[in-house]
Amino acid sequence: DQQVKQNSPSLSVQEGRISILNCDYTNSMFDYFLWYKKYPAEGPTFLISISSIKDKNEDGRFTVFLNKSAKHLSLHIVPSQPGDSAVYFCAASPSSNTGKLIFGQGTTLQVKP
Amino acid sequence: DTGVSQNPRHKITKRGQNVTFRCDPISEHNRLYWYRQTLGQGPEFLTYFQNEAQLEKSRLLSDRFSAERPKGSFSTLEIQRTEQGDSAMYLCASSWQGNSPLHFGNGTRLTVT
Repeated sequence: DQQVKQNSPSLSVQEGRISILNCDYTNSMFDYFLWYKKYPAEGPTFLISISSIKDKNEDGRFTVFLNKSAKHLSLHIVPSQPGDSAVYFCAASPSSNTGKLIFGQGTTLQVKP
Repeated sequence: DTGVSQNPRHKITKRGQNVTFRCDPISEHNRLYWYRQTLGQGPEFLTYFQNEAQLEKSRLLSDRFSAERPKGSFSTLEIQRTEQGDSAMYLCASSWQGNSPLHFGNGTRLTVT
């Protein structure tokens, strides 16, 4: 039972354009959501997070949107840069205080120069 | 902040052997997590500690797996009688507490032949 799903295994965009990565979840008890970026041979690196009491959080070129009614979140990267090419994982926390995360399968983003 | 350190980076072992991995978290973090990642999947939660107490274990953690954090600092993950299905990347992460983002190490890649 995949509680967090990233239905697009890969995404390719041109440098300077917007990248939109999507994530769906099934458990309405999730109250904290995060995006991680992973380069080959490295561990995941925290990118941005959002609490369920918000619908948007922005950090520089990265914005996360949360639609609780649709159980959907998305990550927008504007403008995309070649260095953003990596695997992106969304993750959700089923409890407010454990830090235990449920990860999606990941989306490989390629930003072409 | 020297980051989360994991050793060894790679481990090749024969089926039936025991292996032990070590994780050194960020020094001021009181929570430590173990995750496992297989090809094409996101990290899966195995277990976590708050200080030296092991607070939760996933059902993925069979009785061949044992994790310790004896002094609330570094942690070890031991797998006894390894099986080919144990081949994966084992990731360690640490955090201060609650919903602060997890900081991951670069993982230990286990190959069971």
